[in-house]
Amino acid sequence: DTGVSQNPRHKITKRGQNVTFRCDPISEHNRLYWYRQTLGQGPEFLTYFQNEAQLEKSRLLSDRFSAERPKGSFSTLEIQRTEQGDSAMYLCASSFEATQYFGPGTRLLVL
Amino acid sequence: GENVEQHPSTLSVQEGDSAVIKCTYSDSASNYFPWYKQELGKRPQLIIDIRSNVGEKKDQRIAVTLNKTAKHFSLHITETQPEDSAVYFCAASTRGGADGLTFGKGTHLIIQP
Repeated sequence: DTGVSQNPRHKITKRGQNVTFRCDPISEHNRLYWYRQTLGQGPEFLTYFQNEAQLEKSRLLSDRFSAERPKGSFSTLEIQRTEQGDSAMYLCASSFEATQYFGPGTRLLVL
Repeated sequence: GENVEQHPSTLSVQEGDSAVIKCTYSDSASNYFPWYKQELGKRPQLIIDIRSNVGEKKDQRIAVTLNKTAKHFSLHITETQPEDSAVYFCAASTRGGADGLTFGKGTHLIIQP
């Protein structure tokens, strides 16, 4: 499968714990995006990278969130001190031109 | 920032009929408007997109129209089939899709047999 992949697919954690998600984009896609989607809503933009540079961060991305793309390939999204409000589907997308291709997402449940 | 409104939230049509979903956007600088289809438990998938220099685009049973003056765009699905049942999202971008997309809240399309 040459599409966008994300790991893990599901994560259950206790409030206050740290979690890290990984996204592997489509090979040779230079842009990588993170979105968050809650039930009944459209994806909400969090941040994006062009190669290894983080070019934009949404105001939704609080200080507890950090994203990296160290070598311009895969990316990680870390949430520190998780809160129940962080429970959501975290989607990654990648693109070379305009079309953003989405991964299957990581569903996070914070207890 | 950009705000995208989408209507209706739920749309039920008879199989074979047409379905129309409408979106409005607030930022006149937006120039790229994709539509995504998301089936239950699956990832969003692009079904069609349009740029601001084009008023209409068609791909088989699916078409999108754009009215820049009114800042609204619409998705048209003709001859609906059961497999068209899904949630559809419109989105907008000010940098041709290179930046983060602003999505609408989605339309749950139900095709009645």
